[in-house]
Amino acid sequence: AQKITQTQPGMFVQEKEAVTLDCTYDTSDQSYGLFWYKQPSSGEMIFLIYQGSYDEQNATEGRYSLNFQKARKSANLVISASQLGDSAMYFCAMRDPYSSASKIIFGSGTRLSIRP
Amino acid sequence: GAVVSQHPSRVICKSGTSVKIECRSLDFQATTMFWYRQFPKQSLMLMATSNEGSKATYEQGVEKDKFLINHASLTLSTLTVTSAHPEDSSFYICSAQTGTEFNLNQPQHFGDGTRLSIL
Repeated sequence: AQKITQTQPGMFVQEKEAVTLDCTYDTSDQSYGLFWYKQPSSGEMIFLIYQGSYDEQNATEGRYSLNFQKARKSANLVISASQLGDSAMYFCAMRDPYSSASKIIFGSGTRLSIRP
Repeated sequence: GAVVSQHPSRVICKSGTSVKIECRSLDFQATTMFWYRQFPKQSLMLMATSNEGSKATYEQGVEKDKFLINHASLTLSTLTVTSAHPEDSSFYICSAQTGTEFNLNQPQHFGDGTRLSIL
């Protein structure tokens, strides 16, 4: 069964510093997709970035990049030049390609707090 | 694009009331929508997968008769919490995805969620 692990329940980072949020996953499938979502205190889930298991390059979206290490089964999110608005919960997620409806499973999340 | 609208955003009602939550894909068609429940400071727990024109698929441990799901069109799914009790109080959030089920790179697009409080 697929599993997503986020080992950092909470992190504090100084504004303008870079931050890495850890995510490891477990799957026996060769084809899968990895996602990161941001959830502010207001509750909405905001899609940040995607990495496919066959993608040769690490995904990047603006200040977000994904450090994908397939052999280690890790997909860490890197946020460069952190801003106060980055304070939120961050969830790593994986798509199960062989589920009947292509479900996404979520990790337990990391609460990121940016200090001014 | 890919906007999902969820209503209401907050509900406070008495025990025994049934509450309906709507999830609409505004600018795309969604053959599949998902309903999640989230307790404070916890992750999202998938409750069920809503399929247009057919019965929903519930996750293990989720009561079908308690959480009624209807997906009557390609843009609307509803979750009805029947005879709600205080233990049903939670944050409920829906999502929808574009593309086919085999498009790994299609993210799920989420509504803004509904905070349900049962007194």
